Amino acid sequence: QVTLKESGPVLVKPTETLTLTCTVSGFSLSNARMGVSWIRQPPGKALEWLAHIFSNDEKSYSTSLKSRLTISKDTSKSQVVLTMTNMDPVDTATYYCARLLNWNYDYWGQGTLVTVSS
Amino acid sequence: QSALTQPASVSGSPGQSITISCTGTSSDVGGYNYVSWYQQHPGKAPKLMIYEVSNRPSGVSNRFSGSKSGNTASLTISGLQAEDEADYYCSSYTSSSTLGVFGGGTKLTVL
Repeated sequence: QVTLKESGPVLVKPTETLTLTCTVSGFSLSNARMGVSWIRQPPGKALEWLAHIFSNDEKSYSTSLKSRLTISKDTSKSQVVLTMTNMDPVDTATYYCARLLNWNYDYWGQGTLVTVSS
Repeated sequence: QSALTQPASVSGSPGQSITISCTGTSSDVGGYNYVSWYQQHPGKAPKLMIYEVSNRPSGVSNRFSGSKSGNTASLTISGLQAEDEADYYCSSYTSSSTLGVFGGGTKLTVL
């Protein structure tokens, strides 16, 4: 059974760095056909793709957020980590991780709501 | 502004069919058969409904179908049911450096 679960702080202050962890089970991060993506959704708004990482450690980032994002993985721990620097209230959103298989997000985590406020 | 364009809302009565469009460019929707559709109910994570333009994952009703013509992909839901009321998002592979893109979402209302 494939599952993904996001974890991290529910509240961060402006200018702080956000670190989110996606812990996966039911598949390996070393599987050549798969990757993991981070996607966010501000309250009442659309999905926004942020970043993804593949088994060969190839990474890709949203053009508009590239300077603030870092994605990495620890295959032995089955974890993918996303860091976002210089958080702002507009970054308040539910953050999802999802498995990427052949450019389809076939399994999603439940999401974690992150609020940016002083 | 999302890279893929969807109508903000569509509606239909139970039993009817509706179609949601997703318009991109030759760098994404038109250039690759990697268009997918997601259903999202309030407070829930998105669920994959269609992948690679027209394929249904196991367990998804055959009332859901997908197609593509040129730079526009479409999701059709036939025999509308109350449970279909949700937000729907399209996504596509893109040859740009970002490699992935979503549409702005369409709210489906079942009247």
